[in-house]
Amino acid sequence: NAGVTQTPKFRILKIGQSMTLQCTQDMNHNYMYWYRQDPGMGLKLIYYSVGAGITDKGEVPNGYNVSRSTTEDFPLRLELAAPSQTSVYFCATGGEGGRNQPQHFGDGTRLSIL
Amino acid sequence: QKEVEQNSGPLSVPEGAIASLNCTYSDRVSQSFFWYRQYSGKSPELIMSIYSNGDKEDGRFTAQLNKASQYVSLLIRDSQPSDSATYLCAVNIRGGADGLTFGKGTHLIIQP
Repeated sequence: NAGVTQTPKFRILKIGQSMTLQCTQDMNHNYMYWYRQDPGMGLKLIYYSVGAGITDKGEVPNGYNVSRSTTEDFPLRLELAAPSQTSVYFCATGGEGGRNQPQHFGDGTRLSIL
Repeated sequence: QKEVEQNSGPLSVPEGAIASLNCTYSDRVSQSFFWYRQYSGKSPELIMSIYSNGDKEDGRFTAQLNKASQYVSLLIRDSQPSDSATYLCAVNIRGGADGLTFGKGTHLIIQP
């Protein structure tokens, strides 16, 4: 039982490049989230999804896009990477009840934009 | 407007003592409160969840919630060096997205 799996673990991008961060879960949770964490800071919500085909913006969505075609997968796409997007990205899942339920995190993707 | 506040620390506690971590939040109608532990370079790991006023105990950990004061705390008894980590307080903030709002975390150091 893998839980929440994120790939890649590390990536260096050049300014203006694009990439997709992958997130897959086997917990059968409807709720999925993408957060970013900058050094010394808490996590900030980028996008979330309450089920397949449904996504919505979080606190810091600019420069990102998501899709949710299946319950298991919730990829995050960066278009035109900028240095401000250098961060650690965490994918998380939550059970029914959304924000009232604890969230379970993947190991993260460490992304540097140079 | 800061919605979830924590003292960033570092908080230094001798081994075997009680570590007390505090968190305040701005939304009076928040209903769900979580403590996560995050080791350096790792992902957040759920330690405790609490939904009602009062204390909730799980092993060496006790979460305390006071909704009237908008205050939630985490006590760690018999602190061990392995407890050294950053502790994140997370709250569901009404009016925002469906995710949690996190504090910046308190860096806890247990001195052997």
